[in-house]
Amino acid sequence: EAQVTQNPRYLITVTGKKLTVTCSQNMNHEYMSWYRQDPGLGLRQIYYSMNVEVTDKGDVPEGYKVSRKEKRNFPLILESPSPNQTSLYFCASSLVFSYNEQFFGPGTRLTVL
Amino acid sequence: ELKVEQNPLFLSMQEGKNYTIYCNYSTTSDRLYWYRQDPGKSLESLFVLLSNGAVKQEGRLMASLDTKARLSTLHITAAVHDLSATYFCAVVLNTSGTYKYIFGTGTRLKVLA
Repeated sequence: EAQVTQNPRYLITVTGKKLTVTCSQNMNHEYMSWYRQDPGLGLRQIYYSMNVEVTDKGDVPEGYKVSRKEKRNFPLILESPSPNQTSLYFCASSLVFSYNEQFFGPGTRLTVL
Repeated sequence: ELKVEQNPLFLSMQEGKNYTIYCNYSTTSDRLYWYRQDPGKSLESLFVLLSNGAVKQEGRLMASLDTKARLSTLHITAAVHDLSATYFCAVVLNTSGTYKYIFGTGTRLKVLA
């Protein structure tokens, strides 16, 4: 089944404790992206990747890191989480050289205390 | 800076009624997407609109795109309860071969029996 998976789905952590949210897709998509969703703000793009080893900042990259060492994986790293990073996070993927829509993962609800 | 504005932000309507959701964007984009999000769920693609005058229909939903006015509409015909969800539009900023997605803040639709 074609899908985007994220882990963990729920995470409660404390300020400053490094964490990684994994994202994997099995559709051989070049484009992968991370978003955060906050009430009243819609989805905002954090980082995106056009292909392996190619990443770029979205609108809200501060406090986040990403890497794209393999085509299927695009982990999101919070080196020192803060309470303002409490949010719902979505990973998405799509083909690059087409106009196809993005496929979204199930989401990760992160709470930073 | 590319901005995407949706209105209304909240919409409560009776079953059987028609209504339109508007999506305005501030600069040129070569594609526009509509997504649906059910409460507590991820986003799923509804429509991809690629050219001026494009119109797509699926069931009771019809989307259109006017690139000159930088406006897309999502028209709901004879609403039913199952259409209750949050609807997002999104555009792509294509800069030197990189693709940055900008989402609207979403329209939360509630269809009352």
